[in-house]
Amino acid sequence: QKEVEQDPGPLSVPEGAIVSLNCTYSNSAFQYFMWYRQYSRKGPELLMYTYSSGNKEDGRFTAQVDKSSKYISLFIRDSQPSDSATYLCATRGDSNYQLIWGAGTKLIIKP
Amino acid sequence: DSGVTQTPKHLITATGQRVTLRCSPRSGDLSVYWYQQSLDQGLQFLIQYYNGEERAKGNILERFSAQQFPDLHSELNLSSLELGDSALYFCASSRAGSGADTQYFGPGTRLTVL
Repeated sequence: QKEVEQDPGPLSVPEGAIVSLNCTYSNSAFQYFMWYRQYSRKGPELLMYTYSSGNKEDGRFTAQVDKSSKYISLFIRDSQPSDSATYLCATRGDSNYQLIWGAGTKLIIKP
Repeated sequence: DSGVTQTPKHLITATGQRVTLRCSPRSGDLSVYWYQQSLDQGLQFLIQYYNGEERAKGNILERFSAQQFPDLHSELNLSSLELGDSALYFCASSRAGSGADTQYFGPGTRLTVL
């Protein structure tokens, strides 16, 4: 079993829809949770960063962490074609220096 | 632009050869990470350096090595190249390399081994 599971998709939704992207993880020691966005052939860029449980909102993006179920989510409201990219979740514990990555979900927003 | 630079952008070479990939971290960042991204394997952590010292090792092959220099730039050396080494190689940097740090990625080097 991988430490972080993420459905690779692709996930295709119409423009304007609410998108839900998810990851599950196995290690309860993980405390830091990140979402990165990667456009084709480009380097991943940090979108959202949360510590422990709870929600964090930034514009159209909301990151949610549920440590009781070891489930992390990224919601995108009013999705745009420019949101089409691969979204990677990543996590680490307090004593880890390396991030543990999900496989990435390819998101396609259709105009 | 993340502030992390990588050279070269593209590299085409033959099996058995050796190549060096270079990374300059963001100004003020002490930690450098190397990743490999293949089409079928996602983002794989290779190795991390912090202020010149190796801090963490991931799935790095013995044919691969890295170092971080006093000016904090880093190089990833890949030798005895095989077809399966064809991939995107990313460098990322962070301020201190601790658990609270976030990593900023460079644009990557695309390596093609023929």
